Amino acid sequence: NAGVTQTPKFQVLKTGQSMTLQCAQDMNHEYMSWYRQDPGMGLRLIHYSVGAGITDQGEVPNGYNVSRSTTEDFPLRLLSAAPSQTSVYFCASSSDESGYSYEQYFGPGTRLTVT
Amino acid sequence: GNSVTQMEGPVTLSEEAFLTINCTYTATGYPSLFWYVQYPGEGLQLLLKATKADDKGSNKGFEATYRKETTSFHLEKGSVQVSDSAVYFCALGQYSSASKIIFGSGTRLSIRP
Repeated sequence: NAGVTQTPKFQVLKTGQSMTLQCAQDMNHEYMSWYRQDPGMGLRLIHYSVGAGITDQGEVPNGYNVSRSTTEDFPLRLLSAAPSQTSVYFCASSSDESGYSYEQYFGPGTRLTVT
Repeated sequence: GNSVTQMEGPVTLSEEAFLTINCTYTATGYPSLFWYVQYPGEGLQLLLKATKADDKGSNKGFEATYRKETTSFHLEKGSVQVSDSAVYFCALGQYSSASKIIFGSGTRLSIRP
């Protein structure tokens, strides 16, 4: 099992550019989520999904879109990047479809810089 | 709303020292509690968890007890090693309208040989 994979590992964008952060898992987990990690603030939930075709907003969803067409993939889209979106992004998955009582498995992260 | 507060770092200890990282939470009902660890350049990994009051989670020599009366879940290890150097996150899991798992701000631990 590869677990949770994320691409790219590093990305630099100019303000206003768009891009998609890729996330895939091979554990057949229903629950997937995206977090951003900023210094001194822990991880904050951006969007999550409890299964294919179902997504919902987390704590900080503005500026980000998601979709879940398959169980395996959960891409995160930035439509118009802003410097405030400079952060490290983590994708996670869990076998618990409610997402809050079981272990979450994290990908290695994508470090994004917006200039 | 729900929240997690953990001691600020960085924490620097000598090898074989005793470790405590404090974590307290605010929540209604009975959340699940977790400690995650993040090694340099990697994602978070679950270290241990407890799902009900008085449960003790343990792994790799680390322990934490779910104390509902003090709303705490302090992480302890009797003798730390250089390889324990990492960032440790306390987290709370409970259904809410916006967040499933709430993470503390993290505590960076450095162990001197």
